[in-house]
Amino acid sequence: DTEVTQTPKHLVMGMTNKKSLKCEQHMGHRAMYWYKQKAKKPPELMFVYSYEKLSINESVPSRFSPECPNSSLLNLHLHALQPEDSALYLCASSQAPGGVGDTQYFGPGTRLTVL
Amino acid sequence: GQQLNQSPQSMFIQEGEDVSMNCTSSSIFNTWLWYKQEPGEGPVLLIALYKAGELTSNGRLTAQFGITRKDSFLNISASIPSDVGIYFCAGQPPTGANSKLTFGKGITLSVRP
Repeated sequence: DTEVTQTPKHLVMGMTNKKSLKCEQHMGHRAMYWYKQKAKKPPELMFVYSYEKLSINESVPSRFSPECPNSSLLNLHLHALQPEDSALYLCASSQAPGGVGDTQYFGPGTRLTVL
Repeated sequence: GQQLNQSPQSMFIQEGEDVSMNCTSSSIFNTWLWYKQEPGEGPVLLIALYKAGELTSNGRLTAQFGITRKDSFLNISASIPSDVGIYFCAGQPPTGANSKLTFGKGITLSVRP
């Protein structure tokens, strides 16, 4: 089973709202990732959690706040977003961050629209 | 930083034809991954390559890890309409706790029935 699940599938929010994106994997992977993807562009890395600790923050604005409650779950808390933050947000997981043969599996994404 | 070159941006083929896509880099990678993405969905892993020279098949798909570790190709044989999508190559640089996946810009494949 190589499934990563994400909820919600779609989200529309105003610039003053607070919302959260959720990601779950049950593959025993110890690395989890958040990516942002604009239309017809490759995914852009935002955050990496390695063994439940934040290991990489790609200079993401503080209006995006990641959280890793346990090894299976990853959240992305959103607050005071801008319209340009509208994008597909992808979660991914891999067995061992940066390890030999490490392979990332992606979830289906959350389509976020900021009004 | 490391970059992966994928071109052309778009490819148009007839159903039943074979198609080949390349991915090249000036840097070496330890792992090459090929993903397919359909509209509104996340990238789906097609083939993973872990050793230089490795040739791996998955149904009608075949991919190879270049011997120099700086390139990879993906072949799709006997294309069908459901092959339509964006194909991304991705490379994992030499190991390190903070090594990050590098993506190519993707190739949009269209298949004419």
